[in-house]
Amino acid sequence: NAGVMQNPRHLVRRRGQEARLRCSPMKGHSHVYWYRQLPEEGLKFMVYLQKENIIDESGMPKERFSAEFPKEGPSILRIQQVVRGDSAAYFCASSPRGGGADTEAFFGQGTRLTVV
Amino acid sequence: QQQVKQSPQSLIVQKGGISIINCAYENTAFDYFPWYQQFPGKGPALLIAIRPDVSEKKEGRFTISFNKSAKQFSLHIMDSQPGDSATYFCAATTSGTYKYIFGTGTRLKVLA
Repeated sequence: NAGVMQNPRHLVRRRGQEARLRCSPMKGHSHVYWYRQLPEEGLKFMVYLQKENIIDESGMPKERFSAEFPKEGPSILRIQQVVRGDSAAYFCASSPRGGGADTEAFFGQGTRLTVV
Repeated sequence: QQQVKQSPQSLIVQKGGISIINCAYENTAFDYFPWYQQFPGKGPALLIAIRPDVSEKKEGRFTISFNKSAKQFSLHIMDSQPGDSATYFCAATTSGTYKYIFGTGTRLKVLA
């Protein structure tokens, strides 16, 4: 059973370009979470999705960021018109159900976005 | 209210020593407290977790101590090994939710 798969592992974009980050959850998991980790900081919640639904996007910046989890295929985190401050590691996690306590979220290895 | 404060920021321990990392929280609604271990270039991996109905949980060399009245919890790594060198994050969440609130991390280095 493969773990949470994220790609690409490393992504370099010039300012103003678009970044698309992909996350395939573990088999049987229908809940996906995206977190952002800035250098030397902890992970910050961005968005929680179930298949075809955004459940909570309270951690997402209001502009330029969007996320989806279609019925088929991976979850996508999309950042439009990237700026240097978007440089960070973006982690995806998945769980078989939502609910927090005793529902372990398994993290992928992350996508390290560098904006030049 | 939603923060989890973690200390120290970095820690150096001799092989065989005890590593202790502390976390404090404010939100009394938190009822699940996991610790994650992260190696460079990797994602966080669950190490051990505790609920507030117990004061201590031990798994191998790793122990969580929980003080509900003080709203503090800590990770103890006994007989620390160089392979334990990593960044450790505490986290907290509430049953029925899905947001983990992470501490800022502790970079542990165990000297051989």
